[in-house]
Amino acid sequence: DAGVIQSPRHEVTEMGQEVTLRCKPISGHDYLFWYRQTMMRGLELLIYFNNNVPIDDSGMPEDRFSAKMPNASFSTLKIQPSEPRDSAVYFCASKGQGSYNEQFFGPGTRLTVL
Amino acid sequence: QQQVKQSPQSLIVQKGGISIINCAYENTAFDYFPWYQQFPGKGPALLIAIRPDVSEKKEGRFTISFNKSAKQFSLHIMDSQPGDSATYFCAALFFYDKVIFGPGTSLSVIP
Repeated sequence: DAGVIQSPRHEVTEMGQEVTLRCKPISGHDYLFWYRQTMMRGLELLIYFNNNVPIDDSGMPEDRFSAKMPNASFSTLKIQPSEPRDSAVYFCASKGQGSYNEQFFGPGTRLTVL
Repeated sequence: QQQVKQSPQSLIVQKGGISIINCAYENTAFDYFPWYQQFPGKGPALLIAIRPDVSEKKEGRFTISFNKSAKQFSLHIMDSQPGDSATYFCAALFFYDKVIFGPGTSLSVIP
């Protein structure tokens, strides 16, 4: 199994530009999570999906952030317009059915907004 | 409160020593407590986990101690090795699927 795949691994953009992060979860996993990691705020859950349906988006910082999961094998996190304070590492994770199943994290996308 | 507190923020231990990381929570609805390990440039990965009806769980050199009445739990790494140098996150599972992570502890094991 290839694990959770994220692209791009690094993204540098200018303030005001649209940024799209992509994630392919592990095949067969029903849950997909998007996290943001910064030195100041640690690891924050932004949103998670169950069977492609958003369940909890209370961690999405503001309307500039949006996430979609059009099918079981693909999800996107979009920031429009991007701001310097959005600079962080964004992780996607997936897990199978069951409350205590392990979450498997992808390698992350390091986003820098200039 | 959904917050999970974690200390210390950073820790330096000599090779062969014991590393201890402490965590505390408020919400008694939490019913599962995993620890994740993160190496630089990688995503976190599950290390070990415990349920609140168990006071201790050991896997190799890693042990979780759980004190339900105090709402505290800790990770002990015995015979710490340089390869254990990483960031460690305690966490609590809330409301079935939502995981609340602590702020993390950066562990450095020096030769």
